[in-house]
Amino acid sequence: EPEVTQTPSHQVTQMGQEVILRCVPISNHLYFYWYRQILGQKVEFLVSFYNNEISEKSEIFDDQFSVERPDGSNFTLKIRSTKLEDSAMYFCASSGDAYNEQFFGPGTRLTVL
Amino acid sequence: DQQVKQNSPSLSVQEGRISILNCDYTNSMFDYFLWYKKYPAEGPTFLISISSIKDKNEDGRFTVFLNKSAKHLSLHIVPSQPGDSAVYFCAAKRRGIQGAQKLVFGQGTRLTINP
Repeated sequence: EPEVTQTPSHQVTQMGQEVILRCVPISNHLYFYWYRQILGQKVEFLVSFYNNEISEKSEIFDDQFSVERPDGSNFTLKIRSTKLEDSAMYFCASSGDAYNEQFFGPGTRLTVL
Repeated sequence: DQQVKQNSPSLSVQEGRISILNCDYTNSMFDYFLWYKKYPAEGPTFLISISSIKDKNEDGRFTVFLNKSAKHLSLHIVPSQPGDSAVYFCAAKRRGIQGAQKLVFGQGTRLTINP
């Protein structure tokens, strides 16, 4: 069964450093998403991406964040200068269309020290 | 953001009995609702969904009921099995709006099935 994969599973970084979280969506999907879950809180939407551009973003997704689809298979989330409050589980998701269910990867645990 | 609420943080059910997980929403523009299951150290796994034009959707042991007038949905698991022990998230979206694809999640309910 096709699945979304994410690397690394755990990333530890120093405050102020840049991190890139990587995702390989399901191969025939066209819509890609990033969500995050701070420990003890809800899963929160960050951004959606379609046709090589952002289609929607939340207020969390400020200028420190960017997304890219550098090739036909990867989808990345970059945080330019990490803050302590960026520590969270980051989930990538993909869907075949804009209307139905989204399929999630296993997540990357980001720890900012 | 309290648009989707799961008021029970935890639920404990005997194996073989029915598990009922509840979810309320406030945004009347939501027209598609989903349930996800999450094990520790894994991502949310899609379980079942329902469109706002329906009031019930069934898939094996899982049934989702939607009461639009009450802005309430519930997930029934019958019979409950030990492998169902996980955190269950309710999520909602505005399906009909191009570009507005984000899922809004509830806080989750931790379901424990006791043997």
